Amino acid sequence: ETGVTQSPTHLIKTRGQQVTLRCSSQSGHNTVSWYQQALGQGPQFIFQYYREEENGRGNFPPRFSGLQFPNYSSELNVNALELDDSALYLCASSLFRQGNTEAFFGQGTRLTVV
Amino acid sequence: AQKVTQAQTEISVVEKEDVTLDCVYETRDTTYYLFWYKQPPSGELVFLIRRNSFDEQNEISGRYSWNFQKSTSSFNFTITASQVVDSSVYFCALSEAGSGYALNFGKGTSLLVTP
Repeated sequence: ETGVTQSPTHLIKTRGQQVTLRCSSQSGHNTVSWYQQALGQGPQFIFQYYREEENGRGNFPPRFSGLQFPNYSSELNVNALELDDSALYLCASSLFRQGNTEAFFGQGTRLTVV
Repeated sequence: AQKVTQAQTEISVVEKEDVTLDCVYETRDTTYYLFWYKQPPSGELVFLIRRNSFDEQNEISGRYSWNFQKSTSSFNFTITASQVVDSSVYFCALSEAGSGYALNFGKGTSLLVTP
């Protein structure tokens, strides 16, 4: 068990709605990253937060946004949901030193957009 | 462009066979890290190994071994004497200094070990 927890585990939303996914980082880690994994694909990097600021972003539109809190927990918000947003969303925590240490992942939130 | 290529989509072996999962990466950074993760049906990615670009020593951990070759940009993963419990999807990933060390994953290899 990694100590990274995500909630909820499953979620069904309607196209056009907004969703917030939550992640609690492993104790001692100061960096959190979010990934989107479509069925049968590898995870795709959405963005990373370090010390409450966005520290890198993948090829995702602005309707994907995030927050990192002082206790290093994090939220991923997606506005104006589209059918293609249906995926497993993974949160990873790590300790950013000279390069990231290994990232530990949560069990993911499976989002279905109908 | 795909930076991490796992050419084998699916592999099926019989228990006790050795199996090698291939990973080829592409980067212009001199400082980078390579990873292997395992993803069981529960969805959580399980960390297996991290290697930095300055350390080409091969590593062995029990039945698992990794062969890092910068000359061919490969980081292959071998399971010796495979077991049914090794059945899973395995991902290779690249983390580059120039990309803020975000993980860039391959598409994964699904390994099925049958009795």
